[in-house]
Amino acid sequence: QTVVTQEPSFSVSPGGTVTLTCGLTSGSVSTSYYPAWYQQTPGLAPRTLIYATNTRSFGVPDRFSGSILGNKAALTITGAQADDESHYYCVLFMGGGTWMFGGGTKLTVL
Amino acid sequence: EVQLVESGGGLVQPGGSLRLSCAASGFTFNTYWMNWVRQAPGKGLEWVANIKQDGSGKYYVESVQGRFTISRDNAKNSLYLQMNSLRAEDTAVYYCATGSLRYWGQGTLVTVSS
Repeated sequence: QTVVTQEPSFSVSPGGTVTLTCGLTSGSVSTSYYPAWYQQTPGLAPRTLIYATNTRSFGVPDRFSGSILGNKAALTITGAQADDESHYYCVLFMGGGTWMFGGGTKLTVL
Repeated sequence: EVQLVESGGGLVQPGGSLRLSCAASGFTFNTYWMNWVRQAPGKGLEWVANIKQDGSGKYYVESVQGRFTISRDNAKNSLYLQMNSLRAEDTAVYYCATGSLRYWGQGTLVTVSS
């Protein structure tokens, strides 16, 4: 079965730029997978950052952007801030009515 | 403002049943697919099930197929998840979310334990 992949962890310096990716163990991600991205702090519900590849959710700063890079979906954070330190999840529409989440990336800002 | 409020979680013994509800407001409920997503303690997010606008299409993750049933009542702007034959591995916070997983509720905790 095809699985959605994410980097388990990533680190970025304050003020720096980081790109997290969301891929497939088999095949390429395209806009047809409607990739979405979430930020989650432990104990709280996920916060939607990006949906439908590159549409920013209401209130999300433009430091966060979504795209397709090569064969993966990507979330780019520019000008990283301390409160960007969090878990980030992507999800893909797999067809047949089903969705699949990646395992999540723990982002450290240091 | 879109609001999704889950309820019905709690402690249940293995093999037991529970029915979750999600009350929706702030959008035209009957024009949206709706989903359930769960998160086990300390783990990642897992999509569980979804249902088409008129209830005619339903899809499930393999691990709950045959045990869970998603349904909706468009007259009451409500989404439901009937969970039967519950197992310890079903312990999680359960979230309802709109069709494209854009809007989420705050979740309800289900604990399966003896």
